[in-house]
Amino acid sequence: SQELEQSPQSLIVQEGKNLTINCTSSKTLYGLYWYKQKYGEGLIFLMMLQKGGEEKSHEKITAKLDEKKQQSSLHITASQPSHAGIYLCGADMLGSGGSNYKLTFGKGTLLTVNP
Amino acid sequence: DAGITQSPRHKVTETGTPVTLRCHQTENHRYMYWYRQDPGHGLRLIHYSYGVKDTDKGEVSDGYSVSRSKTEDFLLTLESATSSQTSVYFCAISERVYQPQHFGDGTRLSIL
Repeated sequence: SQELEQSPQSLIVQEGKNLTINCTSSKTLYGLYWYKQKYGEGLIFLMMLQKGGEEKSHEKITAKLDEKKQQSSLHITASQPSHAGIYLCGADMLGSGGSNYKLTFGKGTLLTVNP
Repeated sequence: DAGITQSPRHKVTETGTPVTLRCHQTENHRYMYWYRQDPGHGLRLIHYSYGVKDTDKGEVSDGYSVSRSKTEDFLLTLESATSSQTSVYFCAISERVYQPQHFGDGTRLSIL
């Protein structure tokens, strides 16, 4: 079974609408990273969350890590066509030992924004 | 943007041939990683390096070897390529633990 589940797998929204993507784990997340990928390109780092309850924002994108550190959400406000792409969460699920050698990634959420 | 260059960007080769992919960084970061990305599987770690000549296996290391003789270069070798190794390969780097990994633009490898 997938250790890091992303939902939904794909999402189509109208420009201007808000949306949320979730990343859920059955284990504690010691570091949670959000990336965006455009088709045929590399992953672009968006945000990193480490503390339970932490919330970070960049432009119209807000990411949160819940108190129990087992779920993160990515929220986009007033979506634009430039937000389209694949959003991936990656997580350090090993914790103590000081290693993020092995990030586990979700399978991604494909976001389409229709003008 | 992190200075990461992957080469080649595209390659088509035949089953049984050796293939080497190169990742070059200009950031002097200690940690380097090789991933493969496949539909239905997402991004999976092949091998990683935590210093010059220090490497270890990831989730899907069978059929792959790596080498890191200099801080800036991390090579991924398919000794005898198989069709199941057709994929998009990404290199990533990070400065230290608990820091984000930054990714290269990928190498699209097709093995016929």
